[in-house]
Amino acid sequence: DADVTQTPRNRITKTGKRIMLECSQTKGHDRMYWYRQDPGLGLQLIYYSFDVKDINKGEISDGYSVSRQAQAKFSLSLESAIPNQTALYFCATSAPPADTQYFGPGTRLTVL
Amino acid sequence: GEDVEQSLFLSVREGDSSVINCTYTDSSSTYLYWYKQEPGAGLQLLTYIFSNMDMKQDQRLTVLLNKKDKHLSLRIADTQTGDSAIYFCAESMGTGGFKTIFGAGTRLFVKA
Repeated sequence: DADVTQTPRNRITKTGKRIMLECSQTKGHDRMYWYRQDPGLGLQLIYYSFDVKDINKGEISDGYSVSRQAQAKFSLSLESAIPNQTALYFCATSAPPADTQYFGPGTRLTVL
Repeated sequence: GEDVEQSLFLSVREGDSSVINCTYTDSSSTYLYWYKQEPGAGLQLLTYIFSNMDMKQDQRLTVLLNKKDKHLSLRIADTQTGDSAIYFCAESMGTGGFKTIFGAGTRLFVKA
């Protein structure tokens, strides 16, 4: 079984809709992340969480919110989706000391 | 601010060596990483190097770090068609820091 899972894997929605992307991990890591990937831009950090009570904004948090429901679960919400949020979204966890990151398979989101 | 730069494309013939280059700006980086992304998948850690090392070898992979020039390279010996993927360079301060900075990724094409 995959260590980091994301649901859904693909989603098409309309402008203005509320969307939630979910992430679960079985690695037992405290640190979790949400990234957005756009072609040619690499990964941009949306939010990160170092433990259940710690949530931090990343580079591009506007228009997004997160919830850390448990050590194993970290969800990303788009309160009112817009077309420029069309992208591939990745959840990741990391472990000390090298902070190597373990990624989920990604969610491809299309906002029409 | 921190930045990681890498060329966007590299094409090699099967059996040749591939060298993917990366430059970074943060001299306080403790760890430098190479991740691989295959189509439809999340990023997977290939290898990482601690900043006090200048070389690390792992089977067909050789990582070279020139800390003075802030230059990192990944050499893949005997490149195979299965090595075709996007390769991301990244830097981090590890557990002491708060985030990993990723480059935009180098797409490696391997011609048979």
